[in-house]
Amino acid sequence: EPEVTQTPSHQVTQMGQEVILRCVPISNHLYFYWYRQILGQKVEFLVSFYNNEISEKSEIFDDQFSVERPDGSNFTLKIRSTKLEDSAMYFCASSQLNLAGGNEQFFGPGTRLTVL
Amino acid sequence: GESVGLHLPTLSVQEGDNSIINCAYSNSASDYFIWYKQESGKGPQFIIDIRSNMDKRQGQRVTVLLNKTVKHLSLQIAATQPGDSAVYFCAERAHGGATNKLIFGTGTLLAVQP
Repeated sequence: EPEVTQTPSHQVTQMGQEVILRCVPISNHLYFYWYRQILGQKVEFLVSFYNNEISEKSEIFDDQFSVERPDGSNFTLKIRSTKLEDSAMYFCASSQLNLAGGNEQFFGPGTRLTVL
Repeated sequence: GESVGLHLPTLSVQEGDNSIINCAYSNSASDYFIWYKQESGKGPQFIIDIRSNMDKRQGQRVTVLLNKTVKHLSLQIAATQPGDSAVYFCAERAHGGATNKLIFGTGTLLAVQP
């Protein structure tokens, strides 16, 4: 069964450093997403991406964040200058169509980001 | 407002019993709802969804009920098994059809006792 994959599973970084989290969405999916989950809290939407551009973003997704689909398979989330409060589990998701088309979002296993 | 914190509501059930997990959603304009299961160290896994033009939908061993009057969603799991132990989240699509953004609830920890 196809699945969303994410690397690395755990990333430790120093405050102020740049990190890139990587995702390989399901191959025939067209919509891509990043969510995050701070330990013990809700899963929060960050950004959605379609047709090589951001289609929606939350207030969390400020100028320190960016997303890219550098090739036909990878989808990345970059945090330019990490802060302690960026420590969280970051989930990538993809869907074949948008929710109006009734297709669910499939989630990857997550990358745990720890900022020291 | 929303309440967040380190302590999830917990439902403890005996193996073989039926489980009912409840969720209150926030936006009366939301038109699509999903239940996700999250096991320790894994991402959310789709269980079942329902649109706002329905009040009940059944899957394999699971049933979702939607009460739009009181903005309440429930997930019923029949004959609960140890493998059902996980955190369960409801999610809603915000503001109706113009967005793909999902808003997740706080989550409920289901603990199945053998």
